[in-house]
Amino acid sequence: EAGVAQSPRYKIIEKRQSVAFWCNPISGHATLYWYQQILGQGPKLLIQFQNNGVVDDSQLPKDRFSAERLKGVDSTLKIQPAKLEDSAVYLCASSLALQGANVLTFGAGSRLTVL
Amino acid sequence: KQEVTQIPAALSVPEGENLVLNCSFTDSAIYNLQWFRQDPGKGLTSLLLIQSSQREQTSGRLNASLDKSSGRSTLYIAASQPGDSATYLCAVPYNNNDMRFGAGTRLTVKP
Repeated sequence: EAGVAQSPRYKIIEKRQSVAFWCNPISGHATLYWYQQILGQGPKLLIQFQNNGVVDDSQLPKDRFSAERLKGVDSTLKIQPAKLEDSAVYLCASSLALQGANVLTFGAGSRLTVL
Repeated sequence: KQEVTQIPAALSVPEGENLVLNCSFTDSAIYNLQWFRQDPGKGLTSLLLIQSSQREQTSGRLNASLDKSSGRSTLYIAASQPGDSATYLCAVPYNNNDMRFGAGTRLTVKP
């Protein structure tokens, strides 16, 4: 079984520029998550999709962050304009279903550095 | 609100030593608890998942225990090896829509 694919692995941009990250979840996984992990901290949920619908985006800074999952498979996370504090690893994860007992599989992450 | 805390933040041990990593959570109404491993620059790899009805799970040299009533879990690593060096995170589901993570324990096993 192929894992969760993410790209790019690394990105360096200047503040106020824009960036986009892509995620391809495990085939058949209906639920997709984007997490932000700042250095030295645990991952924090940004947004959660069930198929192509948003389940939870309460912690997504909507003035600069956006995400979509148009066909219920791949997803894109965009930041525009970026701030210094957005420097972090952006992790994508997927699971079979939206349940409290679900098991998440994570991708390798996309490391963003904002200068 | 669910808060997850991991102690210690960092741990350095000589090779071969047995060690225990601690995780505590404030809301005991959890479905399960997961332990993850994260290598530098990499994503998270699930190590062990303990259901709320279980008290422990074992995988090789790893043993995770869960005490819901006290809001605690421990990850025991037997006969540590340099290859065990990584950050270990625990996480619990929250509100069906989220997983709350601890900040992790950074483990270094010295040869």
